[in-house]
Amino acid sequence: AQTVTQSQPEMSVQEAETVTLSCTYDTSENNYYLFWYKQPPSRQMILVIRQEAYKQQNATENRFSVNFQKAAKSFSLKISDSQLGDTAMYFCAFGGGATNKLIFGTGTLLAVQP
Amino acid sequence: DVKVTQSSRYLVKRTGEKVFLECVQDMDHENMFWYRQDPGLGLRLIYFSYDVKMKEKGDIPEGYSVSREKKERFSLILESASTNQTSMYLCASSPTGQGAYGYTFGSGTRLTVV
Repeated sequence: AQTVTQSQPEMSVQEAETVTLSCTYDTSENNYYLFWYKQPPSRQMILVIRQEAYKQQNATENRFSVNFQKAAKSFSLKISDSQLGDTAMYFCAFGGGATNKLIFGTGTLLAVQP
Repeated sequence: DVKVTQSSRYLVKRTGEKVFLECVQDMDHENMFWYRQDPGLGLRLIYFSYDVKMKEKGDIPEGYSVSREKKERFSLILESASTNQTSMYLCASSPTGQGAYGYTFGSGTRLTVV
């Protein structure tokens, strides 16, 4: 069975700095998808970035990028030029195999300090 | 703008009441999901549905049931609410694709059982 682990329950970063959130996963699948979701205090869960495992190139969306290390089963999220609006809970998720379900990590609460 | 709509943002119910949480999506997605979110536990899957009138148990189905009479609507039912069901409930939907497309989430319902 697939598992997703986020080992940092809380993190803090100063505005305009860069922060990296960690995520590791375990799977025997060769083809799968990885996601980072953001849940701000307003509660709406928003997709931040998506990575396809068969693509070696790391996904990027504006200030958000990932470091996808398939052999190490690692999928970290880098937020550059952090903004106050980045304050949120961030969830890493795995999708793949014979199921349509996503497997979520327990989340990392990120606080961006002014 | 595509969306998943949860009928209530906040609910307060009494112990023993039958509670209905409604979720509607307008994206013609086949899959719909109900999760509960608790601090430190992340997102836990209660039930999901791949098709109309079809349902499957997730990781924590005890005390809950679901109904999917129409493709766009997926209801979560607490047969007899208890205080340990006080939580945030998130509905999500996705197209078929072995987890490739991620989820679209509703804005959540914060349920308090007193």
